[in-house]
Amino acid sequence: EDQVTQSPEALRLQEGESSSLNCSYTVSGLRGLFWYRQDPGKGPEFLFTLYSAGEEKEKERLKATLTKKESFLHITAPKPEDSATYLCAVQARGGSQGNLIFGKGTKLSVKP
Amino acid sequence: GAGVSQSPSNKVTEKGKDVELRCDPISGHTALYWYRQSLGQGLEFLIYFQGNSAPDKSGLPSDRFSAERTGGSVSTLTIQRTQQEDSAVYLCASSLGGQGLGPTFGSGTRLTVV
Repeated sequence: EDQVTQSPEALRLQEGESSSLNCSYTVSGLRGLFWYRQDPGKGPEFLFTLYSAGEEKEKERLKATLTKKESFLHITAPKPEDSATYLCAVQARGGSQGNLIFGKGTKLSVKP
Repeated sequence: GAGVSQSPSNKVTEKGKDVELRCDPISGHTALYWYRQSLGQGLEFLIYFQGNSAPDKSGLPSDRFSAERTGGSVSTLTIQRTQQEDSAVYLCASSLGGQGLGPTFGSGTRLTVV
């Protein structure tokens, strides 16, 4: 069964304290892995798509990396405005393109 | 519009009533998705439309749920005979289809069944 597990469930950082969020996945062939950010009361906001092991993508203080079993979202010198829930999702090769399998997310709080 | 628009933003309904949730995707996006997000749970896939192809309904939890997409644009998700376990945020998303950017989500409709 295709599955996505994110850890930790919650993470509290001080402003400027770098860290990483983990997304472990089990899928019968990976078509793509997605990272989203979700603020309270809003829909998920797209961040990155990764397709193959070794691939990296960067945006401001965020960098996403991918291996054959997991993905990391590295946050460098976070600011309070980075506080949000970060969601990881996988799309399986051979499955419906519409069926993204989401993890439960990591809730990040960055204190000034 | 610039983004995916969903209406209503909030809906409170009595158990047993039918509800309709509307989604206006980004103009030109051929793919449209419905997901459900319950408290403490991940997003749950419901249904996917891509162009003129038959929709992928494999995520619909029961035959009380149905969705249609008219003219390749606006979509309506209908829940008949609502139950308390249907209470959740219903999220719509759209994309150009194929590989590339992930789907763009709307802000959702929060459904509460009392």
